[in-house]
Amino acid sequence: QVQLQESGPGLVKPSETLSLTCTVSSGSVISFYWSWIRQTPGKGLEWIGYIYYSGSTNYNPSLTSRVTISVDTAKNQISLKLTSVTATDTGVYYCTRHEGGGYNAYWGQGTPVTVSS
Amino acid sequence: DIVMTQSPDSLAVSLGERATINCKSSQSVLYSSNNKNYLSWYQQKPGQPPKLLISWASTRESGVPDRFSGSGSGTDFTLTISSLQAEDVAVYYCQQYYTNPRTFGQGTKLEIK
Repeated sequence: QVQLQESGPGLVKPSETLSLTCTVSSGSVISFYWSWIRQTPGKGLEWIGYIYYSGSTNYNPSLTSRVTISVDTAKNQISLKLTSVTATDTGVYYCTRHEGGGYNAYWGQGTPVTVSS
Repeated sequence: DIVMTQSPDSLAVSLGERATINCKSSQSVLYSSNNKNYLSWYQQKPGQPPKLLISWASTRESGVPDRFSGSGSGTDFTLTISSLQAEDVAVYYCQQYYTNPRTFGQGTKLEIK
């Protein structure tokens, strides 16, 4: 079964850029859609955006000015960059793989991120 | 954005009894061309990621006990646990994947009475 593992700094300073990586094992990024979803105290579960293995993306309009999602098929990884972070970006960040029409069939364990100076 | 509203926010049910969680979307998530509801249900236990239980409003995922069932269409959906077990204590979320941005309900916390 495919496994997803998020990684990245657990602490980011306000106004800086949050950078996370999702490494896929026991499967390939090819032919699938991949999402980043976060869980914050303020908004609960929030979809950040998704990417197709070809590189096409779709972002949440509430975050689109600050978000970039990319895919590296050679490394079997999906990446997330979120710029100009504030305390409201504190939460647990998950990567997921879509199935069917776009439901989140597989989830990573999540990585906690705190925005603080 | 489609707003997903769950009710109740929390629920306490006795072991072996039925638990019912409702989810209402602010607009229909039924795609007329294929007659499918783009609605999924997830279970989240403390310290764990959400786990997919049901897709297409009523299709149970492989390995999910058959005491879990989903129903509804259009804007009104229900997750039912027919006979509550201790391991079902969790927070349950609905999510629409009909359109972007994908949106989740606020969650329903299920406890044992």
